Amino acid sequence: QVQLVQSGAEVKKPGASVKVSCKASGYTFTSNDINWVRQATGQGFEWLGWMIPNSGNTGYAQKFQGRVTLTRDTSINTAYMELSSLSSEDTAVYYCARLRIVGRAFDIWGQGTMVTVSS
Amino acid sequence: DIVMTQSPDSLAVSLSERATINCKSSQSILYSSNNKNSLAWYQQKPGQPPKLLIYWASSRESGVPDRFSGSGSGTDFTLTISSLQAEDVAVYYCHQYYSTPHTFGQGTKLEIK
Repeated sequence: QVQLVQSGAEVKKPGASVKVSCKASGYTFTSNDINWVRQATGQGFEWLGWMIPNSGNTGYAQKFQGRVTLTRDTSINTAYMELSSLSSEDTAVYYCARLRIVGRAFDIWGQGTMVTVSS
Repeated sequence: DIVMTQSPDSLAVSLSERATINCKSSQSILYSSNNKNSLAWYQQKPGQPPKLLIYWASSRESGVPDRFSGSGSGTDFTLTISSLQAEDVAVYYCHQYYSTPHTFGQGTKLEIK
């Protein structure tokens, strides 16, 4: 079945970086954009950016410009999100989500990766 | 950035009754090129990722029960559950994809009365 499977939970110190992976299966990885969204505990959603797996082109939310990097490895159908200069405010569940070709909403979501930033 | 505001923040409805959740965008999210509104609705249960229910404001995602429907245009949108079932208890979010950054409503918590 179509799914996105993310890497496991991470605990990082302030100032460190984290890299989360998102492996696609059940569809052609290069056919759909991948977006990244985060959700702090009990809070709403915050969009980080998008990537076109076919070309590697990316776009980032202004808030995260310079701190977030989206990449991919098409040989293993995997997208990556790296966030640097972590602070406690970055503690959240990070999701990758597939952009629906028709309709442009997020139709498939990864299970989420908890990133905890603590000294 | 487009601000999405949902109402109410929480809602309690009796089983088999209708539930209505509203979402308002700070500017129009109607694409003039296809006359469609760039608005989606998601359902999120505890410990799970969101599930897409509705896209283009009123198109139901495959596999979503037909008791879920979306309506509205321009800046005002509604998600309606025609006959609430126990499994519909969740938090519901609207999402605009008209322009980046993508933005979401703050969520509406739906419970059984």
